Amino acid sequence: GAVVSQHPSRVICKSGTSVKIECRSLDFQATTMFWYRQFPKKSLMLMATSNEGSKATYEQGVEKDKFLINHASLTLSTLTVTSAHPEDSSFYICSARDLTGEIGETQYFGPGTRLLVL
Amino acid sequence: TQLLEQSPQFLSIQEGENLTVYCNSSSVFSSLQWYRQEPGEGPVLLVTVVTGGEVKKLKRLTFQFGDARKDSSLHITAAQPGDTGLYLCAGDLTGGYQKVTFGIGTKLQVIP
Repeated sequence: GAVVSQHPSRVICKSGTSVKIECRSLDFQATTMFWYRQFPKKSLMLMATSNEGSKATYEQGVEKDKFLINHASLTLSTLTVTSAHPEDSSFYICSARDLTGEIGETQYFGPGTRLLVL
Repeated sequence: TQLLEQSPQFLSIQEGENLTVYCNSSSVFSSLQWYRQEPGEGPVLLVTVVTGGEVKKLKRLTFQFGDARKDSSLHITAAQPGDTGLYLCAGDLTGGYQKVTFGIGTKLQVIP
């Protein structure tokens, strides 16, 4: 199946700093990528939809100035957590939409990025 | 409230037993996916079901999509310790993966 990578896999940062997380589709082009956040013992919550060449669409309650998304190419989307605070600590997962798979369009997930803000 | 309700939320069984996990909603989905997630990793797609009443098999795993496309089940035959993990269902309401909603998951533990 298709492969999506994330970098870094885990990051620890000080409160007030910014952290950038990269999401790459390795063997297919993704016009749309999605960013999720997962709290312990909770399901994945969609934060935003990242569209190549246009502005991201944020879900209700997600601050666009706090979580900056840039989808600069068909294989790369980045999520920047600005002025991070301890409550931003979480597991961030991206996914990418593959339109060319055998079963038609489907969504593949990255391995996730564990963010800890001290 | 969860759009997709999964049950049970926790399940601990002995190796060799059979089990069924359910994913229910009052909404109609254009497609529904089942994922398995290991701790500290992203979800891995197991199957996508699209047609009402559809049944798909993946080795010892059998997935069924309800006739009305509102619910789905995952049945595991002769569970093995390697099946241990978090099983998530996710529904696509509008088609084209514009808005995929996840259930809370079923945490399965298979004891050797």
